Amino acid sequence: QSVLTQPPSVSGAPGQRVTISCTGGSSNIGAGYDVHWYQQLPGTAPKLLIFGNSNRPSGVPDRFSGSKSGTSASLAISGLQAEDEADYHCQSYDSSLTGWVFGGGTKLTVL
Amino acid sequence: QVQLQQSGPGLVKPSQTLAVTCAISGDSVSSNIAAWDWIRQSPSRGLEWLGRTYYRSKWYNDYAVSVKSRITINPDTSKNQFSLQLNSVTPEDTAVYYCARSIAEAGTDRKFDYWGQGTLVTVSS
Repeated sequence: QSVLTQPPSVSGAPGQRVTISCTGGSSNIGAGYDVHWYQQLPGTAPKLLIFGNSNRPSGVPDRFSGSKSGTSASLAISGLQAEDEADYHCQSYDSSLTGWVFGGGTKLTVL
Repeated sequence: QVQLQQSGPGLVKPSQTLAVTCAISGDSVSSNIAAWDWIRQSPSRGLEWLGRTYYRSKWYNDYAVSVKSRITINPDTSKNQFSLQLNSVTPEDTAVYYCARSIAEAGTDRKFDYWGQGTLVTVSS
């Protein structure tokens, strides 16, 4: 049972927009800690996709965007492409656990 | 460009010690702004942060509560690398183990911006 809750799967057709939610609590996202998102392609290590709730590292397309409100955060992917098919993980800090925590991951399928 | 290269055995017997090493290039294990972390991933537990080592005038370690009694993370400044040791392993410790660099920049909280390639460690007799 992960500390941050994500839907197990989402899907969308090429060109469409999908969102992935990440729900936490008062000791992590709700306490004001930033949310970061990672993309994990099959058989590879996670790659930083969004940091500080809504910032993109250099090289990440602006089709990817992030937001945070209250105890939740969201990752939006617009203009879906086949290469976006991957697992997506959210991450934050938890003050009760005094450590970094992840969501369970969401598998994105491009139909 | 930071690169992390992992090495270590892929099979460990129950009750023995799991050991994985992560060699750093493009940065220093003694960095005053980075930390060096271990994270594992299994189908049942997802991504799980295990602990970190970092240098701020002296060496510090932080460990996850779930493994605190069994884990040691050590820096090796002579080889610019760091290592994970997990004692008394059980089949539940079977996972892909990743090393990662964590850093806090531009007013945002610590994030894992570079990852090793991962090492699948299976605990089995």
